[in-house]
Amino acid sequence: GESVGLHLPTLSVQEGDNSIINCAYSNSASDYFIWYKQESGKGPQFIIDIRSNMDKRQGQRVTVLLNKTVKHLSLQIAATQPGDSAVYFCAERNQAGTALIFGKGTTLSVSS
Amino acid sequence: ETGVTQTPRHLVMGMTNKKSLKCEQHLGHNAMYWYKQSAKKPLELMFVYSLEERVENNSVPSRFSPECPNSSHLFLHLHTLQPEDSALYLCASSQDFPGLAGDGVHEQFFGPGTRLTVL
Repeated sequence: GESVGLHLPTLSVQEGDNSIINCAYSNSASDYFIWYKQESGKGPQFIIDIRSNMDKRQGQRVTVLLNKTVKHLSLQIAATQPGDSAVYFCAERNQAGTALIFGKGTTLSVSS
Repeated sequence: ETGVTQTPRHLVMGMTNKKSLKCEQHLGHNAMYWYKQSAKKPLELMFVYSLEERVENNSVPSRFSPECPNSSHLFLHLHTLQPEDSALYLCASSQDFPGLAGDGVHEQFFGPGTRLTVL
């Protein structure tokens, strides 16, 4: 079936460090992936997405890496700031192409 | 902030009550979604609407009844709920289905959610 998951439920880093959040997916046919950030009391907010024909995509302070061989997705946040503290979800497009399937989320805590 | 609003933000109801959740998007999007977010669980897709037509019902119990009267509004009607239905209910919208064309163009924009407690 379709499912995505994350390796670690929590990640704690110091301000200024680089953060890496990992995600494994099970559907080798998945062609579109997306990362969301959810702050307390808010809905998920889009960070960055990537298609399966790419290995890497960069945004502002964030990079998404896709390794299709091992079905692994990662989000790298450079120079992590306290404002980056949130729950991060990876998601993939479902087989029908109508919606997203979300992983469980990793809680990132940034201490200053 | 995201252009998707949800009301009410908090709702407490008994198992015999009937209530409705409302979602409104001001983005001109064509697709709208209901998700359920329970503690320590991934977001669960409930319903998908495209151009006011339901295109996906993800095995949701009939005590949840969606309604999409136009492309800007989405409702979730609730009746005879169970305590295990307590969760954060999130509405989202997108220009079109995710990932169809263009990078980042068809991302889903989420509302702040309705925190539902069923007693």
